[in-house]
Amino acid sequence: DIQMTQSPSSLSASVGDRVTITCQASQDIRNYLNWYQQKPGKAPKLLIFDASNLETGVPPRFSGGGSGTHFTLTITSLKPEDLATYFCQQYDNLPLTFGGGTKVEVK
Amino acid sequence: EVQLVESGGGLVKPGGSLRLSCAVSGFNFGKVWMSWVRQVPGKGLEWIGRLKRESYDGTEDYAAPLKGRFTLSRDDSKDILYLQMSSLQTEDTAVYYCVTGGNTLGNWGPGTLVTVSS
Repeated sequence: DIQMTQSPSSLSASVGDRVTITCQASQDIRNYLNWYQQKPGKAPKLLIFDASNLETGVPPRFSGGGSGTHFTLTITSLKPEDLATYFCQQYDNLPLTFGGGTKVEVK
Repeated sequence: EVQLVESGGGLVKPGGSLRLSCAVSGFNFGKVWMSWVRQVPGKGLEWIGRLKRESYDGTEDYAAPLKGRFTLSRDDSKDILYLQMSSLQTEDTAVYYCVTGGNTLGNWGPGTLVTVSS
């Protein structure tokens, strides 16, 4: 199975800060990487697909990058409503696998 | 508006079985691959399996540890996805999500909690 490693596991940042989360795959997954946002008590929501494509309706302060084994999710100008846990997920090989999550707290 | 609503969760004893349902609306269910994902409360996400649309080949793929105990099926005439679970263990306690897609998981239901306990 492809292992997905996210870092950091948690972070705390201020409103307006730029936040970057990384996701490392245990082997080359090309750009078959998605990002999800899960707010407390809610189901996950697709944010970015194919590493860098913003899902419809997602604010442009979210962006994704990378390919191969190293990927990033960036939130420019953090807002209070971005309080959530963020997960990456690969679909290059079955089984689909997820990163362990990054919990973002807003100061 | 796309809607997915899971049902059938609850308390079950170890060794028991349970069938979850996912009623969908707002899209053409028969043309979509579907998946189930679970999450132990407070923990990460685990993919259970996916079911391809009938016009593709209608087959299923499963996470290896769950294959043989979990079965996905669909009723395209009723717009319902199912997850049949058997020989349940305490480690199967989780929130179970019904999701559109088989690679990119686009729309998620609110989830249904399954608790396996004696």
